[in-house]
Amino acid sequence: KQEVTQIPAALSVPEGENLVLNCSFTDSAIYNLQWFRQDPGKGLTSLLLIQSSQREQTSGRLNASLDKSSGRSTLYIAASQPGDSATYLCAAISGSARQLTFGSGTQLTVLP
Amino acid sequence: GAGVSQTPSNKVTEKGKYVELRCDPISGHTALYWYRQSLGQGPEFLIYFQGTGAADDSGLPNDRFFAVRPEGSVSTLKIQRTERGDSAVYLCASHTGSGANVLTFGAGSRLTVL
Repeated sequence: KQEVTQIPAALSVPEGENLVLNCSFTDSAIYNLQWFRQDPGKGLTSLLLIQSSQREQTSGRLNASLDKSSGRSTLYIAASQPGDSATYLCAAISGSARQLTFGSGTQLTVLP
Repeated sequence: GAGVSQTPSNKVTEKGKYVELRCDPISGHTALYWYRQSLGQGPEFLIYFQGTGAADDSGLPNDRFFAVRPEGSVSTLKIQRTERGDSAVYLCASHTGSGANVLTFGAGSRLTVL
């Protein structure tokens, strides 16, 4: 059974810092890995999807990497802004149903 | 529609009551998923539909939970004899059923069982 772990559970940084969020998964037989953002009381917004054959994806200030052999993914956020404050969730996509197995998330606070 | 729509956005009910939660996916999306998210946790998979059929219901916690998608579009999650532990946000997501599997999530239905 796939298990996904995210470290740290919470992170607080001053505005302008670069930061890295970590995600690890136990079963390397994944199809894709996806990073989401969740604002309080809201649904999930997809940020980046990395297919199993890829090693990274970039979108603006965000860069996500994938290392299947070690069961790890990272989300790098450059020049953080207060508007980046949210919970960031990673999810491994596996199984015949292509279902997502989520980590518990990292709650990020960017201080102005 | 333009996005995944879920109703109601909030539902408060008493223990033992029956509840239905509705999901209206993006038009043309054949794949539909239900997830449940408890406070401080990531969403947990409940059930997956491909078209009208439940292709994988392995995440449903017990037989009080049931979901249908009779016409391959709107889906209803049904919870019988609700318990306080059922309190959570129920999320629905859909995608095209092929390709890179980019899911679009709805805003969720927050269920509170008193």
